[in-house]
Amino acid sequence: AQSVAQPEDQVNVAEGNPLTVKCTYSVSGNPYLFWYVQYPNRGLQFLLKYITGDNLVKGSYGFEAEFNKSQTSFHLKKPSALVSDSALYFCAVRDGELLSGGSYIPTFGRGTSLIVHP
Amino acid sequence: DTEVTQTPKHLVMGMTNKKSLKCEQHMGHRAMYWYKQKAKKPPELMFVYSYEKLSINESVPSRFSPECPNSSLLNLHLHALQPEDSALYLCASSQEYSVSYEQYFGPGTRLTVT
Repeated sequence: AQSVAQPEDQVNVAEGNPLTVKCTYSVSGNPYLFWYVQYPNRGLQFLLKYITGDNLVKGSYGFEAEFNKSQTSFHLKKPSALVSDSALYFCAVRDGELLSGGSYIPTFGRGTSLIVHP
Repeated sequence: DTEVTQTPKHLVMGMTNKKSLKCEQHMGHRAMYWYKQKAKKPPELMFVYSYEKLSINESVPSRFSPECPNSSLLNLHLHALQPEDSALYLCASSQEYSVSYEQYFGPGTRLTVT
């Protein structure tokens, strides 16, 4: 079985400061991890993914995420936040081990609302 | 072109109406999805089509009927909906229905059932 947790409903950060949006996961096999962003009244937009290889993944709009296998985490980061980064962020996981209940169906976290203050 | 388009943007329908939502992508993707999303919640998967065949139906009520006429188009036919079906309906596509491919989402259709 697969699951994902986003422990914070909301993250507040001042413009120019670094931001972190947390995500932890649970899978039986190898994790395939994704971050999406949703602006108001829009669909989800893909930011980045971890499949294999380098633990630090770089994505769109200056975002990056660090895969940490021992802590089963995949936190989203950005060195300097912009007001325009304010949006709803979703972490998603897929379990590569189908025989152990994994699924091609992605499981989404509940979402974290990021608010960047000017 | 990395765009998924959806029409209409907004739809208001009565409980006895029949309407359809349309989704289109020209990225050559072979997997297409319908999701339902309530405000500030994660999207809930409804259906998955892979190579134009229905692969997943997440126990969706029969008042929702999906159709995939070709590899670029996905429809969702609506009939006798309930007020609790009001939501944002998102279409998505991915290169294949597999673990490693990200999904590309359309802007959604905001459905209100009166």
